[in-house]
Amino acid sequence: NAGVTQTPKFQVLKTGQSMTLQCAQDMNHNSMYWYRQDPGMGLRLIYYSASEGTTDKGEVPNGYNVSRLNKREFSLRLESAAPSQTSVYFCASRLTSGSLDTQYFGPGTRLTVL
Amino acid sequence: AQSVTQPDIHITVSEGASLELRCNYSYGATPYLFWYVQSPGQGLQLLLKYFSGDTLVQGIKGFEAEFKRSQSSFNLRKPSVHWSDAAEYFCAVGAWANNLFFGTGTRLTVIP
Repeated sequence: NAGVTQTPKFQVLKTGQSMTLQCAQDMNHNSMYWYRQDPGMGLRLIYYSASEGTTDKGEVPNGYNVSRLNKREFSLRLESAAPSQTSVYFCASRLTSGSLDTQYFGPGTRLTVL
Repeated sequence: AQSVTQPDIHITVSEGASLELRCNYSYGATPYLFWYVQSPGQGLQLLLKYFSGDTLVQGIKGFEAEFKRSQSSFNLRKPSVHWSDAAEYFCAVGAWANNLFFGTGTRLTVIP
């Protein structure tokens, strides 16, 4: 049981390049989330998926797209990377079960855009 | 509007001393409150959460938090800090565990 896994761990891009951040969970959770973490700003929600086949914008969706490929996988795509997207990206999945309701986080992807 | 304020950016305590990390929230509905810990280079781990009932909540690693509705606060406490507690701590509020709003975090340094 690996929990929430993210690939890659580190990535350096040049401005204008594209890339996809991968996230997978093996806990059979319905909901999944993408956050970015910037110094002094905590975590901010980019997109989320309440269930397979649905996605919704969070607080800072501009410049990103997402795909909920299946129940396990939720990917985040940067079509044309910008230096402002330099950040640490976290994926999370959510166990929705009454008092057990909790988000579980992956280890993060550190992205630098030059 | 929803928001979480953690007024202390950085706290330094001696090993064995007590700890209190402050969290104030603004939320338009029934708040569900969380404390997460992030060790360097790691993801976030849930310490504890408050949904309802007893306002004093016990968590992992000897942490506890008290929900005070009148003060819109959910402060995290530990009676005796260990060197391994050095990390960054985040308070969050949401509707259950959905669409969480996080504070900016408090970095804890523990000195021997």
